[in-house]
Amino acid sequence: LAKTTQPISMDSYEGQEVNITCSHNNIATNDYITWYQQFPSQGPRFIIQGYKTKVTNEVASLFIPADRKSSTLSLPRVSLSDTAVYYCLVGYLKAAGNKLTFGGGTRVLVKP
Amino acid sequence: NAGVTQTPKFQVLKTGQSMTLQCAQDMNHEYMSWYRQDPGMGLRLIHYSVGAGITDQGEVPNGYNVSRSTTEDFPLRLLSAAPSQTSVYFCASSTEETQYFGPGTRLLVL
Repeated sequence: LAKTTQPISMDSYEGQEVNITCSHNNIATNDYITWYQQFPSQGPRFIIQGYKTKVTNEVASLFIPADRKSSTLSLPRVSLSDTAVYYCLVGYLKAAGNKLTFGGGTRVLVKP
Repeated sequence: NAGVTQTPKFQVLKTGQSMTLQCAQDMNHEYMSWYRQDPGMGLRLIHYSVGAGITDQGEVPNGYNVSRSTTEDFPLRLLSAAPSQTSVYFCASSTEETQYFGPGTRLLVL
C-alpha cells in the first residue's frame, strides 16, 4: 500500500495560490496520483489526476517530480468556496480496489 | 445522467436491526466501492467490486455484506447494526483510474 502524508491544515486568503504537497515514498510503478476535494456532508469530488510531470485542468495543477515520491496540488487564486478538505490518493484501481487509501486529508481554510 | 445515487440520505437504527444501503450508478462502470467516514476522519474502504458477481473485502469489512448482481447496483447490508457503525457511508463508482462518489448516507445506530 502506498501510504500518503499531507499537512493537516493550511490557511490562505482569497486570491492567493495554495500549494499542498503530498508525500508517497513507496509509490508503485503503476500507481496514479489523484486529488479529491470534500465539502462538509458531501462526497469527495475528483479534482485532478496524474502519473508524472505536470497536469493542468480548469481548476488546478498537479506537479509530480521525476522520482514520483511526492506531488503538489496547486490551486490558483483561491476563493472562499475553496474552503474544504483535500485528499491525496495513490494507487491503481484496476490492480486491486483496496490499494486505495484515504489519509486524513488537508483542511484548507480560505479567509477573506 | 445522474452519476452515483444513494438512498436513504439519513437513517436511524436500533442496535441489532438490519438494513440495506442502496447505491446505483448509470455510468456503466465496472468498479464500485463502499467507504465509511467517521467524524473528522478520512474514508475507509469497506468492500469493493470489480464487476457483476465479483466482490472483495476492503480495510474494515466486519459487520457488512455486499453483493453485485448487476453492473448498476451495489447494495451494502448491515445484518445486525451496532453503535460502532454510526458513520457516513459513501458509495463510489470507478473507471480504471478514477472514482466518482455519491452524496452519502448518514447512519445513526442507537
